[in-house]
Amino acid sequence: EDKVVQSPLSLVVHEGDTVTLNCSYEVTNFRSLLWYKQEKKAPTFLFMLTSSGIEKKSGRLSSILDKKELFSILNITATQTGDSAVYLCAAPNSGGSNYKLTFGKGTLLTVNP
Amino acid sequence: DAGITQSPRHKVTETGTPVTLRCHQTENHRYMYWYRQDPGHGLRLIHYSYGVKDTDKGEVSDGYSVSRSKTEDFLLTLESATSSQTSVYFCAISPSGGYTDTQYFGPGTRLTVL
Repeated sequence: EDKVVQSPLSLVVHEGDTVTLNCSYEVTNFRSLLWYKQEKKAPTFLFMLTSSGIEKKSGRLSSILDKKELFSILNITATQTGDSAVYLCAAPNSGGSNYKLTFGKGTLLTVNP
Repeated sequence: DAGITQSPRHKVTETGTPVTLRCHQTENHRYMYWYRQDPGHGLRLIHYSYGVKDTDKGEVSDGYSVSRSKTEDFLLTLESATSSQTSVYFCAISPSGGYTDTQYFGPGTRLTVL
């Protein structure tokens, strides 16, 4: 059974702190890993990672994949209250010819002023 | 933002009644998905479609059926709603369903079954 496990499940920090969110996976025919941000609405796409060791960066957010150790991290530097959200990671798994996403349960990040 | 709408956005219904949720896209994407999101469980796939009239089950399909008669519309039906189906339902779309494809999510429908 495919698994995506995120840690921690929740995290409270102060504005300006740096946080690291973790995602480990066990997925059949692994090809890519995705990160989403979910505020009080639909998940919005952040990153897709396919290659080990190559950092993806968008502003204060960055992410990297380790295919040998089967995990990814999402870093947020100089956190702001607007970063408060649930962060989801997901991996497509192959069910025959059709790919489906398996999601982790998410990390709830709360950034206090 | 991907052109995905869901209707209704909120619904309260009673146990035993049928309920249909609609997902509509303007992107002409081939793949469409229905998820439910519950505290402690995250997002779980109910059903998905890989083309008109082509659908398959996800991990939590019991009690749900789907139909896709047009590329742009994917309907989720709760045949006889139960309180355990109280949840937030998200539709998602993907161009080809491949492993390098991103899924884009609709705004969600909050369903309460009394």
